[in-house]
Amino acid sequence: QSVLTQPPSASGTPGQRVTISCSGSTSNIGSNTVNWYQQLPGTAPKLLIYINDQRPSGVPDRFSGSKSDTSASLAISGLQSEDEADYYCAAWDDSLNYYVFGSGTKVTVL
Amino acid sequence: QVQLVQSGAEVKKPGASVKVSCKASGYTFTGYYLHWVRQAPGQGLEWMGRINPNSGGTNYAQKFQGRVTMTRDTSITTAYMELSGLRSDDTAVYFCARGTLGFARYWYFDLWGRGTLVTVSS
Repeated sequence: QSVLTQPPSASGTPGQRVTISCSGSTSNIGSNTVNWYQQLPGTAPKLLIYINDQRPSGVPDRFSGSKSDTSASLAISGLQSEDEADYYCAAWDDSLNYYVFGSGTKVTVL
Repeated sequence: QVQLVQSGAEVKKPGASVKVSCKASGYTFTGYYLHWVRQAPGQGLEWMGRINPNSGGTNYAQKFQGRVTMTRDTSITTAYMELSGLRSDDTAVYFCARGTLGFARYWYFDLWGRGTLVTVSS
C-alpha cells in the first residue's frame, strides 16, 4: 500500500478534461517536489511532469500539474485516445528515506 | 542517441542472484544519478535505490538493504544492479532510470531503460 494515494481509475470521452489526484503527507508532498509519470501498456514509464508543474520538452501542453499542501493533481485537457495509460505520481519521502510512487491511476478513453 | 540499454531477460531459481546491466549512451554518464525501479506483474512502480556514477556512492531503499548492490563501470558507461537471495516475489521488470544530481527532494527520472524481466521460479 503506497503512502501516495491515487484513484485506481479515471475515464473520459475524447476532448474532455480528466483530473487525477495524488494525496500524501507532510513528509513527502508537503515537503518535496512532485513528479508524474505516464506508462503506456507494455512500455517503460515516461516523465510527464517534474518539479510539480514543469513539462519536459515534447510533452503536450494538454498535460498540466499542480501541488497544494500535501496533495497534487495531474490534469489532462482535450483527452485523446493515445492518453490511455497508467499514471503515477512520485515524490521523495523524508521519513521513509525513500522515493515513493503513487499506487497508479488507469485512464480510459471512452 | 540518448538512451539506456538494459540486458536481457533472466530466469533464476529461488535463492540465486541476478545482475542486470544498464548501458548509457548519448550523454555524460557521470553527470546524472542512475536509479533502479522495479514493477511486479500487474503492480505499480517501486524504487530500489540509486548510484552516483561519478563517485560510486549508493543509496538503497531500506527494503532491499543487504540484498541489493549497485555498481558502475565508468569506462564502459554501464551501471549494474545485483539482487541476491531471490524469492518468487522478486519476479518483476527491473528498470534503470536517469535522474538529476543533487538533493532527493528535487529528484525526477527523465530517461528510462526498456526494462529487464527477471523471473524467479523453481
